[in-house]
Amino acid sequence: GAVVSQHPSWVICKSGTSVKIECRSLDFQATTMFWYRQFPKQSLMLMATSNEGSKATYEQGVEKDKFLINHASLTLSTLTVTSAHPEDSSFYICSARAQDVLTEAFFGQGTRLTVV
Amino acid sequence: QKEVEQDPGPLSVPEGAIVSLNCTYSNSAFQYFMWYRQYSRKGPELLMYTYSSGNKEDGRFTAQVDKSSKYISLFIRDSQPSDSATYLCASTGGGNKLTFGTGTQLKVEL
Repeated sequence: GAVVSQHPSWVICKSGTSVKIECRSLDFQATTMFWYRQFPKQSLMLMATSNEGSKATYEQGVEKDKFLINHASLTLSTLTVTSAHPEDSSFYICSARAQDVLTEAFFGQGTRLTVV
Repeated sequence: QKEVEQDPGPLSVPEGAIVSLNCTYSNSAFQYFMWYRQYSRKGPELLMYTYSSGNKEDGRFTAQVDKSSKYISLFIRDSQPSDSATYLCASTGGGNKLTFGTGTQLKVEL
């Protein structure tokens, strides 16, 4: 089946630094990619939707200047957490959807971010 | 009220048992229903995807949708320890956005 690769799987960074997370669709063209955040024992919270070649659409309450999303190609989207703080520590997950496919079948393996 | 409600569990069953996982939803616009399995520290994996009311079977898994009562279920037959995971239901009206339940943590014990 199709694979979505997310990198890194875990990262520790210092407060105030920026962290970039990559999401790649390995064997299909992802016209739309989604970025989620998940807290322990809680559901996935959609942060933003990105379409290749256009600006991301952010959910209410998500700071677009803090969580920079780039979807420059049909196989790659990146999420950059800028000026990270301990409260940004979380599990970040991407998913990808191909054109004309109704739902997100393919999720990345997630990135555990710890800000110290 | 959350649009998709799901009992977080944890649910513990013996190996071989039939597991019933359930969600309710409130948005009448939801037409598509999914079940995902998520192992600890991993991304979700799509298990089942249904559109209409009724049952859909895939191996040991059966997804059931009752649109009249806004109730969706996932049944796992002959449960195995490898089924131990968090199961997330999700719904969408056909647009971009999926709405997830909180997930039910399942443990299948030997």
